[in-house]
Amino acid sequence: GAVVSQHPSRVICKSGTSVKIECRSLDFQATTMFWYRQFPKKSLMLMATSNEGSKATYEQGVEKDKFLINHASLTLSTLTVTSAHPEDSSFYICSAGKWTSGRSYGVEQFFGPGTRLTVL
Amino acid sequence: RKEVEQDPGPFNVPEGATVAFNCTYSNSASQSFFWYRQDCRKEPKLLMSVYSSGNEDGRFTAQLNRASQYISLLIRDSKLSDSATYLCVVRAGSYQLTFGKGTKLSVIP
Repeated sequence: GAVVSQHPSRVICKSGTSVKIECRSLDFQATTMFWYRQFPKKSLMLMATSNEGSKATYEQGVEKDKFLINHASLTLSTLTVTSAHPEDSSFYICSAGKWTSGRSYGVEQFFGPGTRLTVL
Repeated sequence: RKEVEQDPGPFNVPEGATVAFNCTYSNSASQSFFWYRQDCRKEPKLLMSVYSSGNEDGRFTAQLNRASQYISLLIRDSKLSDSATYLCVVRAGSYQLTFGKGTKLSVIP
């Protein structure tokens, strides 16, 4: 199997606080993890790609100092939203990558259940 | 031009109907193609990969036309449980996925 957990599932916080979201691959080691954000009625947008033991690669327009990513082990990546503001309210989803040698050769991504962040 | 385009719908169909979703992608270097399903307020889940030869999984049939950069998904004999948003997803290179906005399907009793 390939199970990915995410914690917390829901968080409500005041503007200006920091929020940490954890993403864990429970039954496999993931050298690469991905963080996405999805606003209502919009598509999932990749925020950053995180490789174990190295700095994350951020997509254009994503502030690396605001969205801190740490990938300290092969099964855990964390996203910290620093000084959160109402416009950061969104659905944050992580995925953990696992190499597949099937017909779709490459890294198959397994998604966590998501974290719904509401900043008041 | 958006990288992956889909008809946003919603598609409202009666149970038992056949429904088709279309998708176009702009990156000709895309190598792998997928349909994901996303239920409301949940994470996306892989429905099926899409291959050039076309592939079928039960009531679901996926087609790929690389020349036209076009992908389709056909659902036959729709069930109430098929109600969800269907995401067209492409991958260029080995791991980065690009998602379409999704097409919402509502199957009505």
